[in-house]
Amino acid sequence: EPEVTQTPSHQVTQMGQEVILRCVPISNHLYFYWYRQILGQKVEFLVSFYNNEISEKSEIFDDQFSVERPDGSNFTLKIRSTKLEDSAMYFCASSVPSGSVYEQYFGPGTRLTVT
Amino acid sequence: KNEVEQSPQNLTAQEGEFITINCSYSVGISALHWLQQHPGGGIVSLFMLSSGKKKHGRLIATINIQEKHSSLHITASHPRDSAVYICAVKGWNTDKLIFGTGTRLQVFP
Repeated sequence: EPEVTQTPSHQVTQMGQEVILRCVPISNHLYFYWYRQILGQKVEFLVSFYNNEISEKSEIFDDQFSVERPDGSNFTLKIRSTKLEDSAMYFCASSVPSGSVYEQYFGPGTRLTVT
Repeated sequence: KNEVEQSPQNLTAQEGEFITINCSYSVGISALHWLQQHPGGGIVSLFMLSSGKKKHGRLIATINIQEKHSSLHITASHPRDSAVYICAVKGWNTDKLIFGTGTRLQVFP
């Protein structure tokens, strides 16, 4: 069964460094998402991406964040200058519309630790 | 006030028991998801509902749109069902899912 994959599974970085989290969505999916979950808290929406542009973003997704689909398969989340509070689990998801609904399929997550 | 509320927050059960987890939401929705999160952190989609009831194996999900309420039932619970169960809703004209805080289920043999 096709699945969303994410790399790395765990990333440790120093405050102020740039990180790139990578995702390979399911191949025929058209909509891509990033979510994050700070330890002990609920999952929060960051951004959605369709047709090579951001379709929606949350107030968390400030200028430090960017997303890109550099080729036909990868979808990346870049954090330019990491802060301690960026430590979280980051989930990628993808979906394809079926009628008016879009079931989202999640990747296994990347645990980002900022020290 | 959270837009998605789940109850209970924590639930323990003996193997074989019937489990019910509840989700209430305050916004208009186009769909509701039930998700499972294991201790390693990965999220698995169990159901997506926009009306009525769905069944998959020992799992049953129902939704009442008028009452803005959904339930997830697990019949004949098993220790491998131990996980966090999360309700998430999708509104109209938006891409994002709004998540509940989850229900931590532990099933003991």
